[in-house]
Amino acid sequence: SYELTQPPSVSVSPGQTARITCSGDALPKQYVSWYQQKSGQAPVLVMYKDRERPSGIPERFSGSSSGTTVTLTITGVQAEDEADYYCQSTDSSHSYVVFGGGTKLTVL
Amino acid sequence: EVQLVESGGDLVQPGGSLRLSCAASGFTFSGYSMNWVRQAPGKGLEWVSYISSTTSPIYYADSARGRFTISRDNAKNSMYLEMNSLRAEDTAVYYCARGTGDGYTYYFDSWGQGTLVTVSS
Repeated sequence: SYELTQPPSVSVSPGQTARITCSGDALPKQYVSWYQQKSGQAPVLVMYKDRERPSGIPERFSGSSSGTTVTLTITGVQAEDEADYYCQSTDSSHSYVVFGGGTKLTVL
Repeated sequence: EVQLVESGGDLVQPGGSLRLSCAASGFTFSGYSMNWVRQAPGKGLEWVSYISSTTSPIYYADSARGRFTISRDNAKNSMYLEMNSLRAEDTAVYYCARGTGDGYTYYFDSWGQGTLVTVSS
């Protein structure tokens, strides 16, 4: 098994850019997905394959990767983006799924 | 519209058993792998178990292996999680999640609303 590391919290003002990172030794070989979870709700997929956005997810959400770090970027943050964000990946055989510890995004 | 509805969560004593169900609709259930993911109160997401579209292979997290059993009935569009020897640390909201991907990635594109399991005396 392996771990994915996220910062516990990120804070930005409305209209600014939020960047949430996810680090792991296996990430150069495995894609990452991202989930948004608002308080009291189920998680929602907001990014897959590092940088692919599902239908219905606003264009202000984007993804990128570099080496052992994958980044979820929210450009022009809105109050409704305040939530917990989790990265997720698998081992090479997809027999084990791992989540990062989660990042709480606060919109000031 | 994809719908996943979990049921079966309850208050159970340590050492007890519980069976969770996930009813699927709005898609071809037999064409997708399925998973259970849990979230302890105030904590992050933890993957529990995977079952392929054809019921094999099956995978478990270390925390579930030997105590939990995942299964599915494609004729009933349903997935199950049989949980035995329950511990206080199994207390969590249990989510049913549809899996998808290819040889390079695997992720969860639809989630249910969850069912709460509380293990306490």
